[in-house]
Amino acid sequence: QVTLKESGPGMLQPSKTLSLTCSFSGFSLSTSGMVVSWIRQPSGKSLEWLAAIDWDGDKYYNPSLKSRLTVSKDTSNTQVFLKITSVDIADTATYYCARSHSQTGSVFAYWGQGTLVTVSS
Amino acid sequence: DIQMTQSPASLSASLGETVTIECRGTEDIYSNLAWYQQKPGNSPQLLIYDANSLADGVPSRFSGSGSGTQYSLKINSLQSEDVASYFCQQYNNYLWTFGGGTKLELK
Repeated sequence: QVTLKESGPGMLQPSKTLSLTCSFSGFSLSTSGMVVSWIRQPSGKSLEWLAAIDWDGDKYYNPSLKSRLTVSKDTSNTQVFLKITSVDIADTATYYCARSHSQTGSVFAYWGQGTLVTVSS
Repeated sequence: DIQMTQSPASLSASLGETVTIECRGTEDIYSNLAWYQQKPGNSPQLLIYDANSLADGVPSRFSGSGSGTQYSLKINSLQSEDVASYFCQQYNNYLWTFGGGTKLELK
């Protein structure tokens, strides 16, 4: 059974660095074709893809946020991390991690429950 | 970057009705198009991938179609449990973008 769970600070101040962790089970990110992405959703709004890391360790970023994002994974291939630097109020959102479909890396077949991050002074 | 325009933004329909949601890309996305359903308080759930392939466990009243820049999601015989927001998503060259979403309510 594939499960993903996000964890984060809940609240942080503007200009700080946001660190998020996606812990997953039921698959290994070292399996060929696997991709884990980070996606966020401000309350009442649409979804925004942020970053992805694949089984080979290749990393992909949303061009509009690339300078602020760093995605990485642990050596055991059971966790993926995301750092966002210089956060501001516009970064307030629910942050999801999601895994690719087993037949295509282009869609998100499994999602975590999301973690709400509020940026406030 | 490819942008996705989804319409309508909101939709009210009756039980048993057929509903269609549209999504248009700014470029050809070669059927790399998915649809997700998100119920309030829940994470999105994959409905359709590769424009017209039904994800595991999704009822057959959901279907997807389209090509090039134009795609649609159809829900036949609307059920009360279909009340949700729906999002399209495209994939191109390791970049993913979502449409603005459609909120479906019962009339």
